[in-house]
Amino acid sequence: EAGVTQSPTHLIKTRGQQATLRCSPISGHTSVYWYQQALGLGLQFLLWYDEGEERNRGNFPPRFSGRQFPNYSSELNVNALELEDSALYLCASSVLKTTNEKLFFGSGTQLSVL
Amino acid sequence: GDSVTQMEGPVTLSEEAFLTINCTYTATGYPSLFWYVQYPGEGLQLLLKATKADDKGSNKGFEATYRKETTSFHLEKGSVQVSDSAVYFCALRGQAGTALIFGKGTTLSVSS
Repeated sequence: EAGVTQSPTHLIKTRGQQATLRCSPISGHTSVYWYQQALGLGLQFLLWYDEGEERNRGNFPPRFSGRQFPNYSSELNVNALELEDSALYLCASSVLKTTNEKLFFGSGTQLSVL
Repeated sequence: GDSVTQMEGPVTLSEEAFLTINCTYTATGYPSLFWYVQYPGEGLQLLLKATKADDKGSNKGFEATYRKETTSFHLEKGSVQVSDSAVYFCALRGQAGTALIFGKGTTLSVSS
């Protein structure tokens, strides 16, 4: 069974540009979560999608946005990139059942903003 | 809002030493609690979980007990191995409809 896949593995952008990150969940999983892992800040929750709808959003500015497609894959868009957006962006998926379900994580996209 | 606080790292131990990584939380209601681990070059994976007070989660020799009275979920292992070197994240999930909230992570380095 394929795990959570993210693309690209690495992405280099300059300040002010836009970045698009992609995530394919495990087959059968309807929920996709996005987290930012920046040095010294741990994992910070960005967005949660389930069944194509945004379920919850972390404390990030509106230039962080995303969507979930009918096949449950997801896209994270970051507009007007700033230097501090440089981080590892992790995607996770789960089958939304209860609050104690396990999340399966991808290996991440390393975004570097120059 | 909900939050998780875990001890600052890095934690450096010799093989077979006892490990404790402290984790405390703030949440309304009765959250589920988790420890995730990130081995070098790998994605995060669930290590153990506990869903109600006094539950003990355990896996791979690690264990943690859900202590509601002290709002804690400390991770322990009696004898660490070099292969346990990783970053450990404490996390909680509160009410339905909320996402998993992580602590900042604690880096563990075990030497032989």
